Amino acid sequence: DGGITQSPKYLFRKEGQNVTLSCEQNLNHDAMYWYRQDPGQGLRLIYYSQIVNDFQKGDIAEGYSVSREKKESFPLTVTSAQKNPTAFYLCASSIRARGLKETQYFGPGTRLLVL
Amino acid sequence: AQSVTQLDSHVSVSEGTPVLLRCNYSSSYSPSLFWYVQHPNKGLQLLLKYTSAATLVKGINGFEAEFKKSETSFHLTKPSAHMSDAAEYFCVVSDPIPSNFGNEKLTFGTGTRLTIIP
Repeated sequence: DGGITQSPKYLFRKEGQNVTLSCEQNLNHDAMYWYRQDPGQGLRLIYYSQIVNDFQKGDIAEGYSVSREKKESFPLTVTSAQKNPTAFYLCASSIRARGLKETQYFGPGTRLLVL
Repeated sequence: AQSVTQLDSHVSVSEGTPVLLRCNYSSSYSPSLFWYVQHPNKGLQLLLKYTSAATLVKGINGFEAEFKKSETSFHLTKPSAHMSDAAEYFCVVSDPIPSNFGNEKLTFGTGTRLTIIP
């Protein structure tokens, strides 16, 4: 059963704490993405990765970090530098194909709350 | 620079009546356009996409959208609403990332919440 999984579904962060959100895909997609969703707003791109061991900042990368050591995994760390981390975080992936119009497929999301 | 405007933040229709969710876009390139649906506390599911082929695009669950270049619009329609259609809908435009050939950046609208009245 192919798809994108995110864990945990809910995550609580204490002040000054770093937390890591998991994203795994078994679609054999090269590209992976992290988005943040706030109420009443569209999704905003945090980081993306086109290939293993490479990633790029999106529009709102400050206070976040990522790694891409394996093709199927793209974990996101929300650091203590992110002052307003409460949001719904969505991971996506797509086939990286030159010149084609890619479709991104989304995971079920992780809701991060600050204690 | 690309942008997306969803003209209605909230739409309410009665079950069995037509649905119209409006979307206008701007793009410097030849864009792809998508509609995604999101049910509460869930990820986004692709409804349909336009990629410069037929201007009338049919998607899942009876939805369709028409690309009108002259009006820079990509409105989503369904002839008859069902209770299960109640969700948030996002119009999305995709433009190539200039420094990354072959990869594309998505710009999301702010969403339209669709409510179905029994």
